[in-house]
Amino acid sequence: AQRVTQPEKLLSVFKGAPVELKCNYSYSGSPELFWYVQYSRQRLQLLLRHISRESIKGFTADLNKGETSFHLKKPFAQEEDSAMYYCAPNQAGTALIFGKGTTLSVSS
Amino acid sequence: DAGVTQSPTHLIKTRGQQVTLRCSPKSGHDTVSWYQQALGQGPQFIFQYYEEEERQRGNFPDRFSGHQFPNYSSELNVNALLLGDSALYLCASSFLLTRRDTEAFFGQGTRLTVV
Repeated sequence: AQRVTQPEKLLSVFKGAPVELKCNYSYSGSPELFWYVQYSRQRLQLLLRHISRESIKGFTADLNKGETSFHLKKPFAQEEDSAMYYCAPNQAGTALIFGKGTTLSVSS
Repeated sequence: DAGVTQSPTHLIKTRGQQVTLRCSPKSGHDTVSWYQQALGQGPQFIFQYYEEEERQRGNFPDRFSGHQFPNYSSELNVNALLLGDSALYLCASSFLLTRRDTEAFFGQGTRLTVV
């Protein structure tokens, strides 16, 4: 069965601190990995995807196929990063399956 | 392009009633997926429509049904509403198979309250 685990429901950090949001997945086949973000009063949107090897808003994500993890990282958190973050593996032709999400709260 | 639009934005229904939610996908997208998001939870996949057919379904009862029209817009129907059906219902559109990393675009959601 497909499963996504985001162990932290809430992650609170101070501005400028490093951030790591954990994601572990169990998925048949070789999915692509995505992180979606939902800012307050905004719709759910794509943050970054593994296949692009990109850094978005200072965030990067490392795929570890051996550990089936796709942790999201940022070296220096900003207050505007406060949001709900969802990890989602996906294969073409199938629907996104989301984890329960991690709320990131960045305070000054 | 208005992106993904959903209607209505808010809805209050009585237990036992039926409800229909609507979604217009992003221009050009051929696939619509529906999700239920309870308060404080992640989106739970309900089903996905492509070429007017349900091609994938999550763990939801038959009370949840849907439809996709030739213009790719979609409806979600829920019969015999329960209090537990109260949630934010999200619609997402994408391309099904044209690219491996199909980004899903989400609507703003319909907030359903069952009383």
